[in-house]
Amino acid sequence: QQPVQSPQAVILREGEDAVINCSSSKALYSVHWYRQKHGEAPIFLMILLKGGEQKGHDKISASFNEKKQQSSLYLTASQLSYSGTYFCGTIASGGSNYKLTFGKGTLLTVNP
Amino acid sequence: NAGVMQNPRHLVRRRGQEARLRCSPMKGHSHVYWYRQLPEEGLKFMVYLQKENIIDESGMPKERFSAEFPKEGPSILRIQQVVRGDSAAYFCASSPLSGGTSTDTQYFGPGTRLTVL
Repeated sequence: QQPVQSPQAVILREGEDAVINCSSSKALYSVHWYRQKHGEAPIFLMILLKGGEQKGHDKISASFNEKKQQSSLYLTASQLSYSGTYFCGTIASGGSNYKLTFGKGTLLTVNP
Repeated sequence: NAGVMQNPRHLVRRRGQEARLRCSPMKGHSHVYWYRQLPEEGLKFMVYLQKENIIDESGMPKERFSAEFPKEGPSILRIQQVVRGDSAAYFCASSPLSGGTSTDTQYFGPGTRLTVL
């Protein structure tokens, strides 16, 4: 089952914040976040494991609520370089431990 | 420190021809994954290979599609007798020797964009 991402698209001005959500109907072991610019490779951002951990990378951080099977990606003080499509990939608990199932993506546009 | 390499970046084929997509994993990585991406869609898992072994091909169409990862050389995704519905971006990812765990990071290549006329 494909995770559901919301919103589908968001437009920001430089310096504004955004939150991207990823929800699954399955129990999850881990959530993987990627950013992809048009015509390029998806770039790995971070992995979150069950246990409700949070992670941060510069001004991008994420949380994982395993009880709700949800993860959120937080982009703070957005920069122009943050523009792209953000994908969450999930690995279900009890299943194969390598098969990432990706959401449809959230298109983030940061304008000057 | 080269990343995952894929070639060609763009491939145009006529219906009925064969398409061969190549993927060289990152140095030190022995696990390769292939994904397909349709426009406005997320990536969909196709196959997982280790050197000389197909571990999981549950996402591969039963006919016309095959994959290999030989002892020497790149991984190959082969599509025989292509049809218009095969048009998509095909991405390869690799993970380290310790891969196969759910904490392992998959690093993606730039993809091959296949167009079937």
